[in-house]
This record gives sequence, structure tokens and C-alpha cells, in this order.
Amino acid sequence: DQQVKQNSPSLSVQEGRISILNCDYTNSMFDYFLWYKKYPAEGPTFLISISSIKDKNEDGRFTVFLNKSAKHLSLHIVPSQPGDSAVYFCAASAGRNTGFQKLVFGTGTRLLVSP
Amino acid sequence: DTGVSQDPRHKITKRGQNVTFRCDPISEHNRLYWYRQTLGQGPEFLTYFQNEAQLEKSRLLSDRFSAERPKGSFSTLEIQRTEQGDSAMYLCASSSGAGYTFGSGTRLTVV
Repeated sequence: DQQVKQNSPSLSVQEGRISILNCDYTNSMFDYFLWYKKYPAEGPTFLISISSIKDKNEDGRFTVFLNKSAKHLSLHIVPSQPGDSAVYFCAASAGRNTGFQKLVFGTGTRLLVSP
Repeated sequence: DTGVSQDPRHKITKRGQNVTFRCDPISEHNRLYWYRQTLGQGPEFLTYFQNEAQLEKSRLLSDRFSAERPKGSFSTLEIQRTEQGDSAMYLCASSSGAGYTFGSGTRLTVV
């Protein structure tokens, strides 16, 4: 049962353009969502997060949008840079305020930004 | 602080052997997590410690797997009688609240 889905295994964009990575979830108990970036042979690195009480969170070139009714979130990267090329994982958790934050990850989207 | 450290980075073992991995979390983090990532998948939760107490274990953690965190500092993950299906990246993460810091992982190959 894949509770967090990233249906696009890969995405290619040109430098300077917008990258949009999508994520869908099925568990309505999820109340906190995160995006991680992963380079080969390294652990995932936290990028940006959003609480379910918000619909948008922005940090520099990265913006995450949350549509709770559709159980959908997206990560926008503007402008995209070649150094953004990596695998991006969407993750979700429930009961964030309980202290135990088990993350459920999607399968990842490989982003390739070409010069 | 150098972040979350995992040792070894790579481990190749023969089927049936036991292996042990170590994780050193960020020193002020009281929560420690183990995840496993196989090819083409995202990380999957294995187990969680708050200080030295193991508070949750995934059903993925069979009887051959055991994790400890003595004194609430570093943690070890042991796999007994390894099987080829255990081949994966084993990731450790620590946190003191919202948001994790992951280590670089230990890649296990069972031949």
C-alpha cells in the first residue's frame, strides 16, 4: 500500500526554467509534509516542509504547495540550476506534535537540469 | 558537530553471515531512526528510539534484525543470518523535534 506516490520517475528541464515535482498521498491523517533531495551515495537532505494548516511555503528558489482536498502537493524550483539535479523524495508524517515523526516516503523523482 | 555518522559506508557479506552497523547521531538529538532503502524505492521506516528506549518497530524488522541504543547515544543495527533480500542502503537519522538529519548510509551487499 503506497501511501505516498510520486508518479513521475524522472523529469528533465533546462537551466533557468521552472521544475515542478508532484506528490500524491492517500492517508488523511498526514499533517506534515517534507521534500528531501538525494545525491548518489549520500543520505537524503532536507529541503523544505509544510504543515497541513498551510497551503504554501516558500524558501528561496523552492516553494511547496499543498492541496489538502486533492491530497496533492508539489515542489516548484525557480529558476532551476544544474546543481539541482538529484533525486527528490516527498515524505509525509502524522501526529507531528507527538514527537515521534515516522516519515513515509514516495519512490522519488529524478530531476535532471541541463545547461 | 559533523552531523550523523554511519559506519561502515559499504559492507559486502556472504549470505548467512551476521553484520552490524553503527550510527552516531547529532549529540543533542534525543530521537534516532533507522530506515532502509532499496533500489527504486524511497526510504522505509524500520525503528525509532527516544533516548535509549526503542519505542516503535516496523513489521519490516524481522526477528533477524535487532537494534540497540545503549545510554541513548550511538545506535547499532545488527542483521543475523543475512539473506540476499537484505541488500539495501541502511539509513540512520536523528532529530530533536521537527525535521530529520540523515546520515550517508551503509550500503549492504549480500552475495
